[in-house]
Amino acid sequence: GNSVTQMEGPVTLSEEAFLTINCTYTATGYPSLFWYVQYPGEGLQLLLKATKADDKGSNKGFEATYRKETTSFHLEKGSVQVSDSAVYFCALHYNQGGKLIFGQGTELSVKP
Amino acid sequence: DADVTQTPRNRITKTGKRIMLECSQTKGHDRMYWYRQDPGLGLRLIYYSFDVKDINKGEISDGYSVSRQAQAKFSLSLESAIPNQTALYFCATSEGQAGGAFFGQGTRLTVV
Repeated sequence: GNSVTQMEGPVTLSEEAFLTINCTYTATGYPSLFWYVQYPGEGLQLLLKATKADDKGSNKGFEATYRKETTSFHLEKGSVQVSDSAVYFCALHYNQGGKLIFGQGTELSVKP
Repeated sequence: DADVTQTPRNRITKTGKRIMLECSQTKGHDRMYWYRQDPGLGLRLIYYSFDVKDINKGEISDGYSVSRQAQAKFSLSLESAIPNQTALYFCATSEGQAGGAFFGQGTRLTVV
């Protein structure tokens, strides 16, 4: 079946460090891929998306590229800030069937 | 006002009680979803709906039921609550595969 796997957390970084959160997916067709962010006590917010192979989504300094050959959608940021501390979720969405499927989430903690 | 509103935000209930969680949206989206979030498990899909007459089970529908009263309203019911249904519940809406989803603030449910 369709699924999403993320690297396990928590991830702890110092401010201005480089961030990578790995995400791979299993899918039988051509889903859209997303990263969502959840700040403490809040719901999930869409961070970025890519709807086809080789698309790059970007927002707030975060980037992710839809890699069909490696079925991956890794999240990167060149220089993290304390305010980036949150839980990050990778997700895929199919039109056929309509399910929006999430990974287990990766907690990021950025220290000053 | 929030685009996706969940009520209540917090609820403590006793084992065996029936409880309803409500969700309303102003996005005008046809697709609505109910998820539960548990630490280390990410978001798991309970039910989803494409329109008022189209209700589908997700991966963990046992013990839950839903009602789509209108395009804008999607309620989740626990007919007889049990302690392992203690979780954070999220409602979400989507306009389709490419658009991503919009989440409510969540309902923290505790079953004692």
